[in-house]
Amino acid sequence: GENVEQHPSTLSVQEGDSAVIKCTYSDSASNYFPWYKQELGKRPQLIIDIRSNVGEKKDQRIAVTLNKTAKHFSLHITETQPEDSAVYFCAAGGGTSYGKLTFGQGTILTVHP
Amino acid sequence: EAEVAQSPRYKITEKSQAVAFWCDPISGHATLYWYRQILGQGPELLVQFQDESVVDDSQLPKDRFSAERLKGVDSTLKIQPAELGDSAMYLCASSLTRPYEQYFGPGTRLTVT
Repeated sequence: GENVEQHPSTLSVQEGDSAVIKCTYSDSASNYFPWYKQELGKRPQLIIDIRSNVGEKKDQRIAVTLNKTAKHFSLHITETQPEDSAVYFCAAGGGTSYGKLTFGQGTILTVHP
Repeated sequence: EAEVAQSPRYKITEKSQAVAFWCDPISGHATLYWYRQILGQGPELLVQFQDESVVDDSQLPKDRFSAERLKGVDSTLKIQPAELGDSAMYLCASSLTRPYEQYFGPGTRLTVT
């Protein structure tokens, strides 16, 4: 089955800096790669996703890049703000029948004012 | 904006007791997922429904867990008997087309004593 590794487990940045979180996956059949943001005590929220026919996708301060050859994808947050502080999860899936998603272990992002 | 609903939000139960969780997906979403999230980890899929049919329950501990979605709308996840190791957040999610754009409910925090 799919295995997703996420790094780093914690990330601390100053407000205004950029933050990058990286994930690798094992199943070359995976074709869907979403990113979720989970604030303390709240539900995971989909913030951006990318499909395997696209190499990069951007939405305001957030971008995701995908390298299918190397089987890794990354989340980039520019001009970070304190409200970006949360746990971020990557996931991979969609390639096998019924499209099961496998999640990474999460990255705790702290943005210091 | 439509959201996935779950109840109860919190549940404390004693070991060996039965417990049940309820989920109401976003209207029109044919695919429904139950995930378990242990503190500090990413969500892990327990069971996936397509309409009223189970399409993936490979990670569901079937000796004690059961799930149903009788009319292809809302769903119930049951644990009987509960064990200490079942303490976790149980998240429900739904999507229009698997596995894309899964939307999560607020979760049920289960504590087994």
